[in-house]
Amino acid sequence: DSGVTQTPKHLITATGQRVTLRCSPRSGDLSVYWYQQSLDQGLQFLIQYYNGEERAKGNILERFSAQQFPDLHSELNLSSLELGDSALYFCASSESGLHSYEQYFGPGTRLTVT
Amino acid sequence: SQKIEQNSEALNIQEGKTATLTCNYTNYSPAYLQWYRQDPGRGPVFLLLIRENEKEKRKERLKVTFDTTLKQSLFHITASQPADSATYLCALVSGGSYIPTFGRGTSLIVHP
Repeated sequence: DSGVTQTPKHLITATGQRVTLRCSPRSGDLSVYWYQQSLDQGLQFLIQYYNGEERAKGNILERFSAQQFPDLHSELNLSSLELGDSALYFCASSESGLHSYEQYFGPGTRLTVT
Repeated sequence: SQKIEQNSEALNIQEGKTATLTCNYTNYSPAYLQWYRQDPGRGPVFLLLIRENEKEKRKERLKVTFDTTLKQSLFHITASQPADSATYLCALVSGGSYIPTFGRGTSLIVHP
């Protein structure tokens, strides 16, 4: 158990809908990272938050957004969903904002868009 | 363009043998390189980190080498066990962004 929690575990929704994925980092970790993993793309970095502020952005679509709250939990919002958004979404946490020497991954949310 | 290559074909080995997985990269200047293990449907688990100025790192039955001239890292599991069967991901971290970029992973299957 990494100490990172993600909810829900599974999500099935229709195209055009909006969903919110939630992540709670390990106790004491200030950074949260979001990744998307699909069969054809591998593990892709989406966005990082550090202590409530956006720190780095990867290949995140404009339809996707995220935030980190004062209690350090984070939410990833996916809107206008398309079939191609079906994937595993992981969040990871680390102590530091700059050096991700070791990231702790959550169990993931499996999103299926029908 | 930047590229990380891990063998897409599964590696099948017999229990007790040493498994060796390869991670090659191009157009990167990594500050350090990480190896993760991922089981089906689960999140990656961090195993080892090796810095650009280190040649080799060990942890129990695991050994990682890093050759910045060859642009290659090798990941070894000695005395492999069926429980070692999983996908192994390498990730490169550049000094600029410090965000890991992951390879696609190699599946290891250890047969009893």
